[in-house]
Amino acid sequence: QVQLVESGGGVVQPGRSLRLSCAASGFIFSTYGMHWVRQAPGKGLEWVAVVSNDGYTTYYGDSVKGRFTISRDNSMNTLYLQVDRLRPEDTAAYYCARGGGRGDWSLYYWGQGTLVTVSS
Amino acid sequence: QPVLTQSPSASASLGASVKLTCTLSSGHSTYAIVWHQQQPEKGPRYLMKLNSDGSHNKGDGIPDRFSGSSSGAEHYLTISSLQSEDEADYYCQTWGPGIGVFGGGTKLTVL
Repeated sequence: QVQLVESGGGVVQPGRSLRLSCAASGFIFSTYGMHWVRQAPGKGLEWVAVVSNDGYTTYYGDSVKGRFTISRDNSMNTLYLQVDRLRPEDTAAYYCARGGGRGDWSLYYWGQGTLVTVSS
Repeated sequence: QPVLTQSPSASASLGASVKLTCTLSSGHSTYAIVWHQQQPEKGPRYLMKLNSDGSHNKGDGIPDRFSGSSSGAEHYLTISSLQSEDEADYYCQTWGPGIGVFGGGTKLTVL
């Protein structure tokens, strides 16, 4: 069955960086676009970024553009989110999610999330 | 870009039915709408996708009690025979060129 397992979260000071990972299994990873979605404590879901199945095309939400970088390694079935210049408002649970086929951004499967806390 | 609007809260009694609404901004009537459920302290789960042609695609293992429908800009998730485990947050989702979008979510309380 499809499994998505995030890791890499933790407590980090403002201005520092982290790299989040999402290990995928149970499907042909290189076939699907992959997304990151976050959720601040007590708040709703916020779409963060997407990378195409081949890794060449990426899009970002306005609040993270220029600070976050999404990437993937299809040989390792792993999705990444490099988060730089972190701000307290980036504190959230970060979820990876699998999209559909080409152009289908429905989020069909989700991971359990990894928590990022930005605090001095 | 599309905007999705949901009521912040809803409630219904155990065994009853409830209809949650997601309103899509004007000019985006052909966009697909996806419904997700998030139970307390858990990650979200895909429920179903409502396509603009009226068809829908339900997720694996989603009970028949969950159904979806649309009328113009309004998109609905109906849950019948409510059970205690249906108490959760429900989010609708869509996307536009280069942007993903979520509604603010509806917190469903089962009385």
